[in-house]
Amino acid sequence: QKEVEQNSGPLSVPEGAIASLNCTYSDRGSQSFFWYRQYSGKSPELIMFIYSNGDKEDGRFTAQLNKASQYVSLLIRDSQPSDSATYLCADTGAGSYQLTFGKGTKLSVIP
Amino acid sequence: DADVTQTPRNRITKTGKRIMLECSQTKGHDRMYWYRQDPGLGLRLIYYSFDVKDINKGEISDGYSVSRQAQAKFSLSLESAIPNQTALYFCATSDPWALPGELFFGEGSRLTVL
Repeated sequence: QKEVEQNSGPLSVPEGAIASLNCTYSDRGSQSFFWYRQYSGKSPELIMFIYSNGDKEDGRFTAQLNKASQYVSLLIRDSQPSDSATYLCADTGAGSYQLTFGKGTKLSVIP
Repeated sequence: DADVTQTPRNRITKTGKRIMLECSQTKGHDRMYWYRQDPGLGLRLIYYSFDVKDINKGEISDGYSVSRQAQAKFSLSLESAIPNQTALYFCATSDPWALPGELFFGEGSRLTVL
């Protein structure tokens, strides 16, 4: 059974700090990795994806992938209170069309 | 209006009742999904459909059935609801020609089974 593991948190960081969210996955054949953000009472929305080893930056967000360690992370620079949400890590697995989600990490950015 | 619309948004029912959750979309996507979200368990796939004639079981399909009435409509049924089916249910769509793994979610249907 494929698994995507995340620390459930809550993770609390002060405003302006870097928030680091981590995820590990069990399927060594996984190729594609996704970060979804879910505000309380709302539906998830895709904010980042990464396919290749290394870093991918988009504004204040950086996704990092290390396939050898089966590890994906999301860094949020200059964290804002509006970043407070649950962040879901997901992968598609080898040859799969299905997304497997982690349980999510709840982030609180303290003003 | 939302691109992916779920009805009802909230429903309270009793054990043994038949329940249908409906999903319609205006995104023109072929692929549709039903997920369930429980506190501490994350999102789990119930069923998915890649076109009108294609229905596939997901991770937790027992106790559920689906119907793909049209490209834009995908319904989830609980034939005889039980309390452990109390959860938040999300419908989602994706475009097979776009980024794999990019799902567009509806606003969710909160179901309570007493």
